[in-house]
Amino acid sequence: EDKVVQSPLSLVVHEGDTVTLNCSYEVTNFRSLLWYKQEKKAPTFLFMLTSSGIEKKSGRLSSILDKKELFSILNITATQTGDSAVYLCAVQGGSEKLVFGKGTKLTVNP
Amino acid sequence: DTEVTQTPKHLVMGMTNKKSLKCEQHMGHRAMYWYKQKAKKPPELMFVYSYEKLSINESVPSRFSPECPNSSLLNLHLHALQPEDSALYLCASSQDWMTATNEKLFFGSGTQLSVL
Repeated sequence: EDKVVQSPLSLVVHEGDTVTLNCSYEVTNFRSLLWYKQEKKAPTFLFMLTSSGIEKKSGRLSSILDKKELFSILNITATQTGDSAVYLCAVQGGSEKLVFGKGTKLTVNP
Repeated sequence: DTEVTQTPKHLVMGMTNKKSLKCEQHMGHRAMYWYKQKAKKPPELMFVYSYEKLSINESVPSRFSPECPNSSLLNLHLHALQPEDSALYLCASSQDWMTATNEKLFFGSGTQLSVL
């Protein structure tokens, strides 16, 4: 059975800190790994990763995939209160369905 | 337009009521999805429509009935729900059914459903 595990489940930091969120997976026939940010309702798309070692960047957020070790990290530098959200990792494998992790709840305090 | 629009945003219904959730997208996407999300849990897939045909039903109880009238619209008809069905119901769409690499889901804001 495909599995996605995120850690930590919860994280509290101060504005300006740098955080690293982890996502490990076990899926058959890996296709892609996606990161979403969920603030209140709609998960919003952040990154899609399909190849190892290629870092995706968007402003203060970046992500990288290691297909050999079966994990991805999401980095957020110089965190702001607006970064407070649940960050979801999802993997698409041979089942053709996205398998979601439980998410990491990030709280950024002023 | 990169939006998936869901209505209503909030719904309270009794166990004997019949109601419908609606979802609309105008991105030309050919796959649409219903997810259920309980508090502090990840989204759980319920149904997938691909080219207006039901492709996946994740053993969802028959009190949930999906409908795809056309490629832009997706409904979820609710009847005789139970209190444990209270959750956030998310609609999503993608360019195609996720058999191809590089597909990503666009989510709507969801309908927060409370069953009394």
